[in-house]
Amino acid sequence: EVRLVQSGGEVKKPGESLKISCKGSGYSFNSYWIGWVRQMPGKGLEWMGLIYPGDSDTRYRPSFQGQVIISADKSITTAYLQWSSLKASDTAMYYCVRQGSEYWGQGTLVTVSS
Amino acid sequence: DIQMTQSPSSLSASVGDRVTITCQASQDIDKYLNWFQQKPGTAPKLLIYAASSLATGVPSRFSGGGSGTDFTFTISSLQPEDIATYYCQQYDNLFLTFGGGTKVEIK
Repeated sequence: EVRLVQSGGEVKKPGESLKISCKGSGYSFNSYWIGWVRQMPGKGLEWMGLIYPGDSDTRYRPSFQGQVIISADKSITTAYLQWSSLKASDTAMYYCVRQGSEYWGQGTLVTVSS
Repeated sequence: DIQMTQSPSSLSASVGDRVTITCQASQDIDKYLNWFQQKPGTAPKLLIYAASSLATGVPSRFSGGGSGTDFTFTISSLQPEDIATYYCQQYDNLFLTFGGGTKVEIK
């Protein structure tokens, strides 16, 4: 069974760093792109970028380039999304999704508030 | 980015009604289009892929059509459990983009 399991919700202050995770199982992790999707409160879905764990080829939507870092550790079949300095506007639900879009993580709620 | 224009942004219909949502791409995407259903507090669920193919386990009252730049999504007979927000998504290249969503409510 294909599963993507994300790390738990986070509450952070502006300026803090954060790394959330997405662990894949039940398939060849190295062979499928993993993407990240942002959903701000009450808003629609935004594609942020994706990574191919096999060779760490990473692509970012221009509006997210330089704002986040997407990475993966294929030895533990886990993809990551990280921020070096969070802003209140980063408050959102973040989903990981496997290439093909059939399999999604359960979402990680990130709340940034002073 | 390929822009996806979805309409309407919301609709209200009665149980049993036929409901249609449209999605227009800013350039030709062949049939590289998905439709998703999202209920509050849950991850999106893939309903239709390749514009018109039904995903595994999805009821046959859901259907999709179109190619190129113009696409449709139809619920043939609206059921109470279909209350959700629906999104189109293009996957013509790695820079995937979503439509703005359509919130479906029961009248």
